[in-house]
Amino acid sequence: GENVEQHPSTLSVQEGDSAVIKCTYSDSASNYFPWYKQELGKRPQLIIDIRSNVGEKKDQRIAVTLNKTAKHFSLHITETQPEDSAVYFCAAPTGRDDKIIFGKGTRLHILP
Amino acid sequence: DTGVSQDPRHKITKRGQNVTFRCDPISEHNRLYWYRQTLGQGPEFLTYFQNEAQLEKSRLLSDRFSAERPKGSFSTLEIQRTEQGDSAMYLCASSLPGQGSYNEQFFGPGTRLTVL
Repeated sequence: GENVEQHPSTLSVQEGDSAVIKCTYSDSASNYFPWYKQELGKRPQLIIDIRSNVGEKKDQRIAVTLNKTAKHFSLHITETQPEDSAVYFCAAPTGRDDKIIFGKGTRLHILP
Repeated sequence: DTGVSQDPRHKITKRGQNVTFRCDPISEHNRLYWYRQTLGQGPEFLTYFQNEAQLEKSRLLSDRFSAERPKGSFSTLEIQRTEQGDSAMYLCASSLPGQGSYNEQFFGPGTRLTVL
């Protein structure tokens, strides 16, 4: 069945350093890859997404890269700040419909 | 607040009781999704609607779960004969129609269910 694998499950980085979270997906027809951020006790919120007609997208300190051949995509956060501490989820749709499958999440800790 | 709203925010119930949750999507969004999230996990797809039509229901969803969206606006999720394993955060999300592409899903604050 459809599957989205995400790793690492936990990531600690020093403030100011970069963080990278990786995901793989199984459905080769998937063409939209969002990333959500969920702070403690709050709802998931979209931070960036990428469609399969591009290989990279950047928004200030956040970037996402996509490798359709290898079926993986990654989130890159540069110059990390304390407010980046949260759980990050990748997601991908099945090819047939709008059902979105989420990864299990990465808990990012920014160390002072 | 013009975002997605859910009611109640918290529900404590005894095993075997029925519970019903409500979701009000963003008004112009005709797609509505229900997810379940347990601690340390990502949102797990339950079902989704386009207008009043329920387009897909997760194979993981037992017959105790039912969802409706009678007028294509708000939606309800009912769990009958609740079990302790039903304890979770139930999230609702809405989006504009995709029409071959995908649009951002906006999540509500969730309803936290505790089954004693």
